[in-house]
Amino acid sequence: DAGVTQSPTHLIKTRGQQVTLRCSPKSGHDTVSWYQQALGQGPQFIFQYYEEEERQRGNFPDRFSGHQFPNYSSELNVNALLLGDSALYLCASSFWLAFKRLNTEAFFGQGTRLTVV
Amino acid sequence: AQSVTQPDIHITVSEGASLELRCNYSYGATPYLFWYVQSPGQGLQLLLKYFSGDTLVQGIKGFEAEFKRSQSSFNLRKPSVHWSDAAEYFCAVGGGNTDKLIFGTGTRLQVFP
Repeated sequence: DAGVTQSPTHLIKTRGQQVTLRCSPKSGHDTVSWYQQALGQGPQFIFQYYEEEERQRGNFPDRFSGHQFPNYSSELNVNALLLGDSALYLCASSFWLAFKRLNTEAFFGQGTRLTVV
Repeated sequence: AQSVTQPDIHITVSEGASLELRCNYSYGATPYLFWYVQSPGQGLQLLLKYFSGDTLVQGIKGFEAEFKRSQSSFNLRKPSVHWSDAAEYFCAVGGGNTDKLIFGTGTRLQVFP
């Protein structure tokens, strides 16, 4: 059983460009959350998708958008890249409301390292 | 405000010594608490979790943590550290009708032989 897979593993983009990151959740999971981890910091919640809809959003600008597909995989899109968007982007998969309903955790992928130059 | 504080940015211990990493949280609802470990350039691996019940929880790799509601703490402990435990450790809290996790800034553990 494959865990959470993210692609690509590394990416270099130029300021002002757009980027798309991809995530396939763990088998059976239906919810995908995205986090941004800047160097030396803890992960920050960007947003969460369930049933192809954004269910919750953190304090990130509209340049950050996402999508979830019928097979539960997800994309994170960032427009008009800034140098400050350089970070490790982590995808987490889970069942919907896993903590409260099922007392189960979220599983994280290995991340995509985005460097903006 | 919801937050997690890990007061120790960097801890150095000798191999075989005991370890305690501190975590304090502020959360309005009943908290669900987690410890994750991250090796350089890698994703997050769950060490242990607390949802309810016994306040002393056991995790993988010989780690344990104790939930103390009165102190809003969830400290991570290990009786004897191995060199392979060197990594970054993150405490996180979630709860209510959301699976959003709020992370601390992490504690970097260095282990000397």
